[in-house]
Amino acid sequence: QVQLVESGGGVVQPGRSLRLSCVGTGFIFGTYALHWVRQAPGKGLEWVAVIAYDGDKKYYGDSAKGRFTISRDNSKNTLYLQMNSLRTADTAVYYCARGRNGYKYFDSWGQGTLVTVAS
Amino acid sequence: DIQMTQSPSSVSASVGDRVTITCRASQAISTWLAWYQQKPGKAPELLIYDASSLQTGVPSRFSGSGSGTDFTLTISSLQPEDFATYYCQQSNSFTFGPGTKVDIK
Repeated sequence: QVQLVESGGGVVQPGRSLRLSCVGTGFIFGTYALHWVRQAPGKGLEWVAVIAYDGDKKYYGDSAKGRFTISRDNSKNTLYLQMNSLRTADTAVYYCARGRNGYKYFDSWGQGTLVTVAS
Repeated sequence: DIQMTQSPSSVSASVGDRVTITCRASQAISTWLAWYQQKPGKAPELLIYDASSLQTGVPSRFSGSGSGTDFTLTISSLQPEDFATYYCQQSNSFTFGPGTKVDIK
């Protein structure tokens, strides 16, 4: 059974950094692209970033470019999102999701971790 | 960037009703479109990919159609567990539509 479990969320002040983690089990972790998707409270879904199965290619949404870094450690079955220079607008539940058909879609999701950026 | 719109933004329906949700892309995306269902407090779940392919385990009352810029998600006979918010997503730059909330009439 595919399982993705995020951690690392919490309350952080504007301008500070936070690193999220996502551990995947129940599938061959190192053969799938992985995404981060976020959802602000009461709002819709926003794609954040994707990383190829081997970590070779990475792509970011406009809100993440220059501030967030996606990475992975396939030996630990873990995906990361390093978030720097956080803004109040980054407040959201952050989901990791497994890619289907390469990068295209999200076929399994974690339960999400809440990041609150507030002073 | 490709923008996605959905209509209606919300729909009230009864168990057994046929429900249709429309998604439109700002430029042609072939059939590179997915549909997700999200219930309150839960992660989204993939229902349909490549516009019309049913994800494994998803009931056959869900179907998708369309290509180019116009797409449709149809629930043939609404069940109590189907009351949720539905999002379309294009796979070029991963943009989601704003969502359609299906609630009880």
